[in-house]
Amino acid sequence: ETGVTQSPTHLIKTRGQQVTLRCSSQSGHNTVSWYQQALGQGPQFIFQYYREEENGRGNFPPRFSGLQFPNYSSELNVNALELDDSALYLCASSTSSGSSYEQYFGPGTRLTVT
Amino acid sequence: AQSVSQHNHHVILSEAASLELGCNYSYGGTVNLFWYVQYPGQHLQLLLKYFSGDPLVKGIKGFEAEFIKSKFSFNLRKPSVQWSDTAEYFCAVSPPIGNMLTFGGGTRLMVKP
Repeated sequence: ETGVTQSPTHLIKTRGQQVTLRCSSQSGHNTVSWYQQALGQGPQFIFQYYREEENGRGNFPPRFSGLQFPNYSSELNVNALELDDSALYLCASSTSSGSSYEQYFGPGTRLTVT
Repeated sequence: AQSVSQHNHHVILSEAASLELGCNYSYGGTVNLFWYVQYPGQHLQLLLKYFSGDPLVKGIKGFEAEFIKSKFSFNLRKPSVQWSDTAEYFCAVSPPIGNMLTFGGGTRLMVKP
C-alpha cells in the first residue's frame, strides 16, 4: 500500500449533477496528479497540481477542475456529469513534478453516472 | 502528442512459461518509460522505469524491460512466470520535463497454476 488515500471509494451520481473527489497525498509529497481510467482502458491524465498551482492538463474539458490545499491534499471536481464520466478516478502523488520522481497511486474512486 | 500501444490485451500462460509483453510508443523526442502493475484489488505500482543509460532495465519481482530506440519499443519480459504474477500490466511514458504519464491500454495476464 502507498500512503495515498482517496474518498469516497464508490459514488453514484445522476447525469447533470456535480461531484467532488478527494485525495490525501503521501507524507512529504507536494505534487498530485489525477487520472481517469474507463473500464478496460489505461489511465488518462487529467491534470496535475504542484504547490497549489495547476502544472499541466490533459485533454479534458473545463468542467473538470481541481484544487490543491496547503497541506497538499487535492480535490477533483466534475460539473454537469455525463454518462461517459463513469470511470475509476485515480490520484497519484510525488515529491516533485520533475521527470525522475515516481508517482504513488491511491486506490481510486469509482464513479458511476446514471 | 504522445501515445502508447500495448498489442496484447489478454495473455494466458502456464506457470514457468516465459513472458514478453509488447509496448510501443509514439513521441518525437526523448521520453521516460515505465511499466506499472495492478494486482487484483491493489493499487497501481511501479515495476520498473527507464530514464537513460543501459537500455536493459531490471525491476522488481524478476521483471526486466528492454528499450529499443529505433523501434520505439519498451517490451516487458520475465523468464518464468508464477501464479502470483496474475495482474494487469500497463506501459507508460512521460516527457523529459514533468512526470505526467501517458498509459497504454493495458495487458491482462492470467497465469494458470
